[in-house]
Parts: sequence; C-alpha cells; structure tokens
Amino acid sequence: DAMVIQNPRYQVTQFGKPVTLSCSQTLNHNVMYWYQQKSSQAPKLLFHYYDKDFNNEADTPDNFQSRRPNTSFCFLDIRSPGLGDAAMYLCATSSLLASKTQYFGPGTRLLVL
Amino acid sequence: AQSVSQHNHHVILSEAASLELGCNYSYGGTVNLFWYVQYPGQHLQLLLKYFSGDPLVKGIKGFEAEFIKSKFSFNLRKPSVQWSDTAEYFCAVNAGRAGGGADGLTFGKGTHLIIQP
Repeated sequence: DAMVIQNPRYQVTQFGKPVTLSCSQTLNHNVMYWYQQKSSQAPKLLFHYYDKDFNNEADTPDNFQSRRPNTSFCFLDIRSPGLGDAAMYLCATSSLLASKTQYFGPGTRLLVL
Repeated sequence: AQSVSQHNHHVILSEAASLELGCNYSYGGTVNLFWYVQYPGQHLQLLLKYFSGDPLVKGIKGFEAEFIKSKFSFNLRKPSVQWSDTAEYFCAVNAGRAGGGADGLTFGKGTHLIIQP
C-alpha cells in the first residue's frame, strides 16, 4: 500500500547531540510537511517543502532544519536538541494536483536525555 | 493567522449514544476544514473534509460534519457510537486558496473520546 513511513518510531538522543529523523513516501506527493506534537497539545507545523522549495514557519526555531534530497524522502535535523524538544514528530504529505488532503506517517517519538 | 478551538478535551459516552464534537475556527478568508482521528497507537487518519459545496459532508465510519460559515464552526457528529470509536479526534483548518496553496494545517488541541461498552 502507498504510505508515509517514518523511521525510527522512537529515538533517544542526548542533550545537545544532533539527531536526524527521516520520512519517506510512496505516494509521489509534491508537498511534504513536518509537525511537532508535544504531550496533550495540537500538532504544530514546523516547515514544509513544495517540491524543492523550502517554506519555514516564522516561529520555528533555527535549531530545526530540513532536507529533501528527492521527491520520496524528507529529513528533519535537530542541531542541538534541548529537553524542550522532546515530542512526537509527524511527517505528512499532500498533492496539490489532487485532493490537497494531508496524509500522515506514524510519527517519531523523540526523547532527549 | 488561523486558530482552531475544540471545546471538549475529554468526552465519555456509552455505546449507541449520539456524538457531537464542537470545532470553531478563526480565519478571515476561505478555509478548508478537516477532521482527523487517531486510534490508540496509530497514525492520524482523515475522517472527512470540506473544501466547498454542500456544507454537510459525510466521512468514513458513519461520521459527518456540518460547516456553518456564519458560526465559523465545523462540528463532527455520529448518530450512534461504537466502542471502536474510542480515539483522539482533531479538527484542522488551512487556507482555502483557489488554484493551489501548500499551507500546513492548524490543528485544534484534540478531543479524547472514550466509548464505554
């Protein structure tokens, strides 16, 4: 089945140690999004790629970066994780040529020690 | 900027009861509206969406929602809930720009629904 895949499902890192989360999709969608969801809070958009064009939300900290080497893959890099960055990170995709509905992956839960 | 408000954070119902979850949004322009569901241990799944046309939309698993523009509301309903409907429900909105727009979603805080057998 076509889907959005996130690896790993759980990630433990140390305070200040760079970490990368990955997302891949078999839907061939042209837009990929990263959301951060902290406990008992709504998912919050960090940034998105429209094809190769990167769009950062105004309040996304500089500590968060993203890469999209091709249509299928998108990475979230956290350069120096702090305790406050512990959260679930959700990847989503959509096709502006079709329904514009966003399809979500299962998420990666990040723990910062 | 958009915002979404879900009035009930926790709802407990018995099986066969009727359900209505409230959602109000704040945005001055045209919007796309969504309800997503997250079953325990699973990813967010789309229940239903509204882009334009008939304000009463039907989704999967017997859910429906009504867009009332004058009230900035998009309430979710189901006439008879089942134990398997136990989940977290999120209302979401993005700008309904004609011809495209890759805007991300603005989510409400979610409603945790528990259905008792």
